[in-house]
Amino acid sequence: NAGVMQNPRHLVRRRGQEARLRCSPMKGHSHVYWYRQLPEEGLKFMVYLQKENIIDESGMPKERFSAEFPKEGPSILRIQQVVRGDSAAYFCASSPPKTGGEGETQYFGPGTRLLVL
Amino acid sequence: SQKIEQNSEALNIQEGKTATLTCNYTNYSPAYLQWYRQDPGRGPVFLLLIRENEKEKRKERLKVTFDTTLKQSLFHITASQPADSATYLCAIDNYGQNFVFGPGTRLSVLP
Repeated sequence: NAGVMQNPRHLVRRRGQEARLRCSPMKGHSHVYWYRQLPEEGLKFMVYLQKENIIDESGMPKERFSAEFPKEGPSILRIQQVVRGDSAAYFCASSPPKTGGEGETQYFGPGTRLLVL
Repeated sequence: SQKIEQNSEALNIQEGKTATLTCNYTNYSPAYLQWYRQDPGRGPVFLLLIRENEKEKRKERLKVTFDTTLKQSLFHITASQPADSATYLCAIDNYGQNFVFGPGTRLSVLP
């Protein structure tokens, strides 16, 4: 039973390029969360998605950032026209349906470390 | 304004002692609170969840308390070991929509 998978683990982009980060949730999990973590800082919530739906994107920057979780395939966090300030670790977490009990627990992936040159 | 704070950025304790980490929040009303462990270069790992109607939860050497009046959770590691050295994060649910994480406390258990 594989855990949450993220790829790539490391991504280097030049300013102005696009970054695509992928997240495959655990089997049976229908909820995906994306977080950003800067060095020596806590996790900052970005977006919460279910299949084909964005539930809460209150933490997403208004421009250049988008996320999707299609019916088939992984969740994608897309950053257009990256800037140096986008350099961070991006973590994805998944959870089972929120029917109580374990639905509140998040399982995190290993993260993608984005470096913008 | 809403905020979530953890007692200190770093905590050093001697092996065998009890480590106590604090999480305080302001202007939230979480239905539950969670504690995670994060090692360098890795994603957080879930440790414990405590609900608003629970005072205390235990799991092996870990104990969590939750005081909704004080808006505070305490996280204890008894008989600490060097392998317990990591950053510990508290997280609260934000009206069931998302989770808010504290900045973390970096614990170092010295042999």
